[in-house]
Amino acid sequence: QSVLTQPPSVSAAPGQKVTISCSGSTSNIGGNYVSWYQQLPGTAPKVLIFDDNQRSSGIPDRFSGSKSGTTATLGITEVQTGDEADYYCATWDTNLSAWVFGGGARLTVL
Amino acid sequence: QVQLMQSGPEVKKPGSSVKVSCKASGGTFSSHPISWVRQAPGQGLEWMGSITPIFDTANYAQKFQGRFTVSADQSTTTAYMELRNLKTDDTAMYFCAREGFRNGLLFDYWGHGTRITVSS
Repeated sequence: QSVLTQPPSVSAAPGQKVTISCSGSTSNIGGNYVSWYQQLPGTAPKVLIFDDNQRSSGIPDRFSGSKSGTTATLGITEVQTGDEADYYCATWDTNLSAWVFGGGARLTVL
Repeated sequence: QVQLMQSGPEVKKPGSSVKVSCKASGGTFSSHPISWVRQAPGQGLEWMGSITPIFDTANYAQKFQGRFTVSADQSTTTAYMELRNLKTDDTAMYFCAREGFRNGLLFDYWGHGTRITVSS
């Protein structure tokens, strides 16, 4: 059971928009910056978003991040087949003194 | 450009130990924590612990305290993880990841992963 809660799967048709939520608490998302990672099949994760809403170098502006209270959201516009991957949110948990991850959301492009 | 090169796959017996290395090149090794994150087959990411080489201080997830040790050698810019008393459910891909600093923290560089298989 992950400390951060994500939907296990999301889907979108090519060209559409999709959002992935990440719900936590005041000791993690509510009090610390959130980062988002994309893991393509068989590869290591790669950072997409840091500091809640800052895109990492080379990440297209189709990817965006936002946060409100204890929920963070990753948005992907103009979804492409190459975006099919697992997406994870992560942040530091002050109470646990540990990094915590969401369970991951698998994006399927229909 | 920072690169993290991990040691190769291992097959271990239950009850044994495994040590995995993560050699960093490029960037500043000592001041950035190196974390270890594992991923069981078909499962999500799980943080295990980290070490900050310049301070030689380690931080562990409670689940792994007691049988997991992280270390770092500044002279060779290499971080290590050792997991003892292996169980079959320790079978996973183990990643090292560098913690970068912006306003907050992030894992800005990742190793390619080391597959550890625990089987009798």
